Amino acid sequence: GAGVSQSPSNKVTEKGKDVELRCDPISGHTALYWYRQRLGQGLEFLIYFQGNSAPDKSGLPSDRFSAERTGESVSTLTIQRTQQEDSAVYLCASSLWVDTQYFGPGTRLTVL
Amino acid sequence: AQSVTQLGSHVSVSEGALVLLRCNYSSSVPPYLFWYVQYPNQGLQLLLKYTSAATLVKGINGFEAEFKKSETSFHLTKPSAHMSDAAEYFCAVSDPGGSNYKLTFGKGTLLTVNP
Repeated sequence: GAGVSQSPSNKVTEKGKDVELRCDPISGHTALYWYRQRLGQGLEFLIYFQGNSAPDKSGLPSDRFSAERTGESVSTLTIQRTQQEDSAVYLCASSLWVDTQYFGPGTRLTVL
Repeated sequence: AQSVTQLGSHVSVSEGALVLLRCNYSSSVPPYLFWYVQYPNQGLQLLLKYTSAATLVKGINGFEAEFKKSETSFHLTKPSAHMSDAAEYFCAVSDPGGSNYKLTFGKGTLLTVNP
């Protein structure tokens, strides 16, 4: 079946511009997660959505980062006024149960 | 806060040799523990997971891991490496309690398999 998909696969932007990253979870998965993977580092948790509950935003690094999810469908991660330190691979995952997260291929963001 | 340490950012083995990738975590409460594999230009794939059942966990592709509470370790092994095992491997641990959906990852170990 279809896995988690993310778009775009690559994004190059200029410092100060806003970017939107998209995640399509596996159909029926109620939970959705965003992670950031900087070069040479492990994944960092950013945000967690579960159904219609309030999201856990505790991992968002600054108020320039925000994410939305409508119901149990698509999610977008928005980074405003991008900085060079935002360059990373942004990974989305979805799950039915918390003990098995399925990851997408990621969006590689480069801020010049 | 949780932390995960993967000893060795790069491990190189010969085809047919034992694979041992080390992972230690910091937590007094056994959480969920995972190993993920990432092949080039692909997303992370779950290799195996420990969820407080058997301490020896078997995963896909012949990998297994043993949870040792006294050593706070969850090392990944495979008896005989195959060329197709070349990839990056990430150990992850979940937060205890009500935030067990939140995973903390190690920095990864790149496994190279030599012919």
